[in-house]
Amino acid sequence: KQEVTQIPAALSVPEGENLVLNCSFTDSAIYNLQWFRQDPGKGLTSLLLIQSSQREQTSGRLNASLDKSSGRSTLYIAASQPGDSATYLCAPPSDKLIFGTGTRLQVFP
Amino acid sequence: NAGVTQTPKFQVLKTGQSMTLQCAQDMNHEYMSWYRQDPGMGLRLIHYSVGAGITDQGEVPNGYNVSRSTTEDFPLRLLSAAPSQTSVYFCASSLGWASGVNTGELFFGEGSRLTVL
Repeated sequence: KQEVTQIPAALSVPEGENLVLNCSFTDSAIYNLQWFRQDPGKGLTSLLLIQSSQREQTSGRLNASLDKSSGRSTLYIAASQPGDSATYLCAPPSDKLIFGTGTRLQVFP
Repeated sequence: NAGVTQTPKFQVLKTGQSMTLQCAQDMNHEYMSWYRQDPGMGLRLIHYSVGAGITDQGEVPNGYNVSRSTTEDFPLRLLSAAPSQTSVYFCASSLGWASGVNTGELFFGEGSRLTVL
């Protein structure tokens, strides 16, 4: 069974910092890995999808890397802004599509 | 584009009542799924479907029933609501499916908040 761990569980930083969010998983036989953002009281919004043949994917200030051999993915957020405050979840696919419990990020002005 | 649409957004039930949460997608996605999200527990998969007429159980299926008569719709039925089913429910869909694994980008609805008294 796929197990997913996200570290740190919570993070509070001043605006402008570069951030690193970590996701580790136990089953490396994955097709792809997806990063999501969830705002309070809202659904999940897809941020980045990394196919298993890729090592990284970029969208604006976000960059996600994937290392299947070590069972890890990292989400980099450059020049963080208060609008980045949300919970970030990773989901490596398995037959049951298990999610991590997320990293709760707060960026203060 | 509508994407994934869930109704109702809010619902209050009494213990023992039954109800159906509706989920519809207009992206011709094969894979559809239902999750529940509880504080401290993260997202847990209830049921999923890889096409019309095909459904399977997820991590926490007890007390829930699903069917997939069309590609677009995937309703979740609570047979006899219990306070333990108080939660936020999310429906999600994806285009890709291979060898029992979702391979596509997963899209979520806005959620349905259910309270069982």
